[in-house]
Amino acid sequence: NAGVTQTPKFQVLKTGQSMTLQCAQDMNHNSMYWYRQDPGMGLRLIYYSASEGTTDKGEVPNGYNVSRLNKREFSLRLESAAPSQTSVYFCASSEADSGSYEQYFGPGTRLTVT
Amino acid sequence: AQTVTQSQPEMSVQEAETVTLSCTYDTSENNYYLFWYKQPPSRQMILVIRQEAYKQQNATENRFSVNFQKAAKSFSLKISDSQLGDTAMYFCAFMKHAAGNTGKLIFGQGTTLQVKP
Repeated sequence: NAGVTQTPKFQVLKTGQSMTLQCAQDMNHNSMYWYRQDPGMGLRLIYYSASEGTTDKGEVPNGYNVSRLNKREFSLRLESAAPSQTSVYFCASSEADSGSYEQYFGPGTRLTVT
Repeated sequence: AQTVTQSQPEMSVQEAETVTLSCTYDTSENNYYLFWYKQPPSRQMILVIRQEAYKQQNATENRFSVNFQKAAKSFSLKISDSQLGDTAMYFCAFMKHAAGNTGKLIFGQGTTLQVKP
């Protein structure tokens, strides 16, 4: 049981380049989330997907797009990377209606944009 | 909009002693959940403890307990018998409870806890 997996673990991009962060979960959860973590600011929600086929903006969606490919996979795309997007990115999943509301997090991706 | 504030950026405690991390939040909601997550140097986010706002009894999980003061909008975490493995960043988080809840979390800024031998 792998839980939530993310690829890659580290990435360096040049300004203007694009990339996709991949996330998959094997817990059959309906809800998935993308957060970014910056020093002194905690984790902030970028986008979320309450169920397969739906996505919604979170607190800081500008510069990002997402795709809920199927129930397992939720990807985050940076179309034109900017230095302000240097951050650690976390994917999470939960069964929001289960009563526990616990979110399970992936190991994170450290992204540097130069 | 809800906000979560952790006013202690860094704390330290001697091994085997007790430490309390503070968290306050602002919301107009009556039904919600509060969480403490731990992030050790490995970067993995781990749920430590959860509190439902409708429950008056404070949640406990082994050496971890909370002091939930709903009227004061305060949610502190007490770690008893601190261990070296408790060294981590701790995040307080809020989740609104509603029909069709999407489970979105709002995090505080985090408190870095150092347990000293």
